Amino acid sequence: GENVEQHPSTLSVQEGDSAVIKCTYSDSASNYFPWYKQELGKRPQLIIDIRSNVGEKKDQRIAVTLNKTAKHFSLHITETQPEDSAVYFCAARTSGTYKYIFGTGTRLKVLA
Amino acid sequence: GAVVSQHPSRVICKSGTSVKIECRSLDFQATTMFWYRQFPKKSLMLMATSNEGSKATYEQGVEKDKFLINHASLTLSTLTVTSAHPEDSSFYICSATSRANNEQFFGPGTRLTVL
Repeated sequence: GENVEQHPSTLSVQEGDSAVIKCTYSDSASNYFPWYKQELGKRPQLIIDIRSNVGEKKDQRIAVTLNKTAKHFSLHITETQPEDSAVYFCAARTSGTYKYIFGTGTRLKVLA
Repeated sequence: GAVVSQHPSRVICKSGTSVKIECRSLDFQATTMFWYRQFPKKSLMLMATSNEGSKATYEQGVEKDKFLINHASLTLSTLTVTSAHPEDSSFYICSATSRANNEQFFGPGTRLTVL
């Protein structure tokens, strides 16, 4: 069945450094890839997304890249700040459905 | 942005009782609503997909008689955990897909504790 793998499961970086989180999906029909940030006990919040007809998208300190051939996509956070500390989830949505398959999550800690 | 509410936010119940959780899209019509379960420090596990006026589609391994889903309108879906047991304790999150742009918006979640 559909599967999304996410790495690493935990990531610690110094404030100001960059953080990269990678995801791989199995369903080649997936065409939409959102990234969510979830703080403890809160709902996931969409931070950036990318569609399959685009290779890269950037929004200030956050960027996402997509390699359709390899079926992987990555989240890049530059100039990290302590408030970036949270759990990040990638997801993939298959064309023709609204169903999201989530990755296993990455706990990011930004050390001041 | 679009707002999804969930009620209650927290519930503590005794083993054997049933608990109903409501998910509402407050300012948009939701084509589809989803119910997820999240264990501590784990990912969101999709339980079922709910479309207005039709039966929910459950993911493999999710008992439909245990987790009853009713999608009565384009703005309301309910999840009832029947005969709850301690192992049902979890964080339940709904999401709703906007008809306008197909984006998925999450509710704030319901923390269920079964004693």
